[in-house]
Amino acid sequence: DQQVKQNSPSLSVQEGRISILNCDYTNSMFDYFLWYKKYPAEGPTFLISISSIKDKNEDGRFTVFLNKSAKHLSLHIVPSQPGDSAVYFCAAKRGTNAGKSTFGDGTTLTVKP
Amino acid sequence: DAGITQSPRHKVTETGTPVTLRCHQTENHRYMYWYRQDPGHGLRLIHYSYGVKDTDKGEVSDGYSVSRSKTEDFLLTLESATSSQTSVYFCAISDQGRGTDTQYFGPGTRLTVL
Repeated sequence: DQQVKQNSPSLSVQEGRISILNCDYTNSMFDYFLWYKKYPAEGPTFLISISSIKDKNEDGRFTVFLNKSAKHLSLHIVPSQPGDSAVYFCAAKRGTNAGKSTFGDGTTLTVKP
Repeated sequence: DAGITQSPRHKVTETGTPVTLRCHQTENHRYMYWYRQDPGHGLRLIHYSYGVKDTDKGEVSDGYSVSRSKTEDFLLTLESATSSQTSVYFCAISDQGRGTDTQYFGPGTRLTVL
């Protein structure tokens, strides 16, 4: 049973518009959620995180929203830039579980100039 | 950038041969992890370490073993490689392993088992 799901394998948006990437989870014990970004031939890099005690966290052009009742989180990128084109992984973890994260399958974002 | 290196970066081997991948960090972080990434899948945890000589299994540990004799090095061994272990392997580190403490990833090792 996949505990973290990203149901959209790919997303294409125009430069300057908003990108919305979605993630669903099933394990109610998860209390921290993170987004990682991955370029081809590189390792993932941390983008933004949110604790379950919050419903929103913002960092520049990136905002993560958490809806605990729906077990759903989303990453908003505004405005989208061609350099944002990458694979985005949603990850979830329990705060006291040795940092082990459960990852979704990823969404490939393409931002067209 | 966190100081994490992986070696080798690419390896082609034959079924049945042993393979060892190395992860080296210069950050003195306590936690180290090995993940594999396959097409259409996210990162899946193979093994992790919470200190020198302290390791535990992840969700896809069958066919893999690990060792950590020094803080800075975490080795992943495939005792007898199989074609199903063809994948990209990522090492990661984290400092506290709790809360929003993030993981820092190495550049990956692409392993092909023929």
